[in-house]
Amino acid sequence: DTAVSQTPKYLVTQMGNDKSIKCEQNLGHDTMYWYKQDSKKFLKIMFSYNNKELIINETVPNRFSPKSPDKAHLNLHINSLELGDSAVYFCASSQDRLAKETQYFGPGTRLLVL
Amino acid sequence: AQSVTQLDSQVPVFEEAPVELRCNYSSSVSVYLFWYVQYPNQGLQLLLKYLSGSTLVESINGFEAEFNKSQTSFHLRKPSVHISDTAEYFCAVSVKAAGNKLTFGGGTRVLVKP
Repeated sequence: DTAVSQTPKYLVTQMGNDKSIKCEQNLGHDTMYWYKQDSKKFLKIMFSYNNKELIINETVPNRFSPKSPDKAHLNLHINSLELGDSAVYFCASSQDRLAKETQYFGPGTRLLVL
Repeated sequence: AQSVTQLDSQVPVFEEAPVELRCNYSSSVSVYLFWYVQYPNQGLQLLLKYLSGSTLVESINGFEAEFNKSQTSFHLRKPSVHISDTAEYFCAVSVKAAGNKLTFGGGTRVLVKP
């Protein structure tokens, strides 16, 4: 029973294309996140939603647009993909938005832009 | 702004030997401290966290970490490693008053050799 799931697991696409990554959590959590892990394994938060409301929006190009249709889902749409977007994208969730809460991560989506 | 430094990018260690992974953080406000582990081709999992109270925290699989406020450190140790401990380990902080935004260190890759 997967707690945080992401689709697709792998995504290979051409520069300039638009793609979406989907995330779902069945933990009943209120807060969800998107992280980007680059080729050097460095992890950085991109966005966070709490009960469908955007609460963290880091300095991310506006080609990236998150959408939360309900609190169990957080999708990431990327327009006009660039080579530098190649990375592993992780979705995560936590019980609520408090700083002490553990975050539960999905398995990642490996995006390769050619 | 807060930052996290993991002093060793890679730590090779023999099976059954002890290991210590160093983590230092910088923050002008109070933080919570976390260690996450990432096994190959998987998402991150919480290993342990320090919220308050005893400065020594332990995980169920034999890891422990000690919060040292004066040295702003949260080093992770295990007295005897197994092959299965081969993974990437990430130290992270969240600011108590600023919501659940994790700032990660660069990661330490532990390679356990037989």
